[in-house]
Amino acid sequence: NAGVTQTPKFQVLKTGQSMTLQCAQDMNHEYMSWYRQDPGMGLRLIHYSVGAGITDQGEVPNGYNVSRSTTEDFPLRLLSAAPSQTSVYFCASSRHPYSNQPQHFGDGTRLSIL
Amino acid sequence: KQEVTQIPAALSVPEGENLVLNCSFTDSAIYNLQWFRQDPGKGLTSLLLIQSSQREQTSGRLNASLDKSSGRSTLYIAASQPGDSATYLCAVRPTQGGSEKLVFGKGTKLTVNP
Repeated sequence: NAGVTQTPKFQVLKTGQSMTLQCAQDMNHEYMSWYRQDPGMGLRLIHYSVGAGITDQGEVPNGYNVSRSTTEDFPLRLLSAAPSQTSVYFCASSRHPYSNQPQHFGDGTRLSIL
Repeated sequence: KQEVTQIPAALSVPEGENLVLNCSFTDSAIYNLQWFRQDPGKGLTSLLLIQSSQREQTSGRLNASLDKSSGRSTLYIAASQPGDSATYLCAVRPTQGGSEKLVFGKGTKLTVNP
C-alpha cells in the first residue's frame, strides 16, 4: 500500500524561485491537507481540500497556492520562495472531512530556502 | 482558540518501564483526539483515535484515555522498549471554528534506554 506519497523528499531553493510539492494518495480519500512543521511551532495547517475542485485556506496560507483537479492529487505551489518558508511540509489525507477517521500522513518534504 | 499542550517535552526511561504521556486541550468541543508517533526524518503514524463519545482506546501495549470535560488525554505505554523511542504528538479535531483541521501539540520526545 502506497498510502500518501510526497515528492521530492528534499529540496533546496534560492529566494524568489518557485516550485511545486507533490502529494498523491491511493486510498480514494476525499479530504487532503498540507501542514508545515517548524521547531517550537508544531504543525500548522496551510491549505486543505474536502474534494476535487474544492480548496480552502488554513492557518498559514500566505505564499502558497493549491489546486485539486483529481481526488488523488493535491499539489502545493510556492509562488516566490522566501527563507521563512524553510520547513518540513507534510501532506495528509482522510476518508471524509468532519469524520472520525484517522488522518494519514506522508513522509514529508524537507525544504530549504537560501 | 483551541490550544494543545503536551508535558513533558522530553522523557527518558529505562527499558521495561510503564509510562504515561500527557496531553491537555483548552476547548472541550472536539470531534476526536488522535495520538501520532513521529520517528526522526519521517512522517506521522497514527496510533490511536478516540472519538469524543469514547473514554479510551487500546492497541497492543498502548492505551489512550480521554476526559473531554477536563480537557485531558493520556497515552499509556506498557513495558516500554527501545523501539518505542520517538516523538509522540497528540492532536484534536475541533467541532467549531475550523473543524476541517487538526490542532497539534508540540510533542513529547521519548527515549527508551536499553
